Amino acid sequence: LAKTTQPISMDSYEGQEVNITCSHNNIATNDYITWYQQFPSQGPRFIIQGYKTKVTNEVASLFIPADRKSSTLSLPRVSLSDTAVYYCLVGPQGGKLIFGQGTELSVKP
Amino acid sequence: GAVVSQHPSRVICKSGTSVKIECRSLDFQATTMFWYRQFPKKSLMLMATSNEGSKATYEQGVEKDKFLINHASLTLSTLTVTSAHPEDSSFYICSASGPGITDTQYFGPGTRLTVL
Repeated sequence: LAKTTQPISMDSYEGQEVNITCSHNNIATNDYITWYQQFPSQGPRFIIQGYKTKVTNEVASLFIPADRKSSTLSLPRVSLSDTAVYYCLVGPQGGKLIFGQGTELSVKP
Repeated sequence: GAVVSQHPSRVICKSGTSVKIECRSLDFQATTMFWYRQFPKKSLMLMATSNEGSKATYEQGVEKDKFLINHASLTLSTLTVTSAHPEDSSFYICSASGPGITDTQYFGPGTRLTVL
């Protein structure tokens, strides 16, 4: 399974756009890129998934360059409630996922 | 998204006893379920993968005789921690995926196990 690398922590302020970049140089042809959000003492919550180019849903956008060796999760206008750990994972759809360290996002007023 | 539940949400037990944790997919059939463990301030660690009707596949370093996993139906998987010890205290999280929900894994809310 492809290993992912993402910043350990990020700080932001309410109302700003936050972009979290993840590197996955060894991504396989059948791997998808999935992002999860986790609050303390809760299970991860699915945010978004993509294979290539750009994917957008009601909470986030995911940008994937042509070589798919990285991806960027974009959170528009964050609020205090977006303070959480964000995980980037790569793997086959619905298949085994290996979690990395994640990015601890802190949103300040 | 799909809904996955876990029961109990928290459990406290004495050292040496066994504890069973249930994971249910409420609105889809989960052909595959996964069990994770998470220690404080750490990431999730995959323990095992179970497919309905077959034996679970355990990750390296996870004792299959200590962590018994059963996936007897398409909506239920159980994790039994046998002869629990204080070092087994952790946050256990399950996830599920299946046909019609093939885009990703959906996670349960987790179970906090404390072994005294």
